[in-house]
Amino acid sequence: AQSVTQLDSQVPVFEEAPVELRCNYSSSVSVYLFWYVQYPNQGLQLLLKYLSGSTLVKGINGFEAEFNKSQTSFHLRKPSVHISDTAEYFCAVSEWGGNQFYFGTGTSLTVIP
Amino acid sequence: DVKVTQSSRYLVKRTGEKVFLECVQDMDHENMFWYRQDPGLGLRLIYFSYDVKMKEKGDIPEGYSVSREKKERFSLILESASTNQTSMYLCASTPGTGSYEQYFGPGTRLTVT
Repeated sequence: AQSVTQLDSQVPVFEEAPVELRCNYSSSVSVYLFWYVQYPNQGLQLLLKYLSGSTLVKGINGFEAEFNKSQTSFHLRKPSVHISDTAEYFCAVSEWGGNQFYFGTGTSLTVIP
Repeated sequence: DVKVTQSSRYLVKRTGEKVFLECVQDMDHENMFWYRQDPGLGLRLIYFSYDVKMKEKGDIPEGYSVSREKKERFSLILESASTNQTSMYLCASTPGTGSYEQYFGPGTRLTVT
């Protein structure tokens, strides 16, 4: 089983500033990697995913993430945040050939006007 | 668009009641999942199903059971609700094993008094 660590439980950032949300996973076996966003009182929506190929993945709403196999990391970035980006963000991992998904504990991003 | 629906957004039940949470997906997905979400703990897998009438325990199955009689419907049952089962419950589905992301329902916020 995988263990997924999101190092920051809360990240406050000023509007139009850059942000990075960190995610590390435990195993070096081949994995698929995902970032989801959850707005208040809603389910999770996919932001982006890494399956294979280029290690830099672009997603919706201007977010991108970089897969680093040697460091088993998949950090999420946005160069300039908006108020509407205030939400909970979850990193998730699934293993090749597996059925299960493993989630981090989430990072609450608050964008300050 | 894939749609995953959950029978209730908010539910209030009394201790000892039998509770049914229903989840329906409309895209012929093979796999379906039930998670509970608690602050600081992220998403924890209760049960998942990879086929009709098939189920597997997740990380926290105690106090829960599931039923999947039809491919599109996956039910979570709390046999005798307790206050420590007050939580947000999220249903998800995927087309099958492999590089697929999960599609989530809007969640059911259950309060047990």
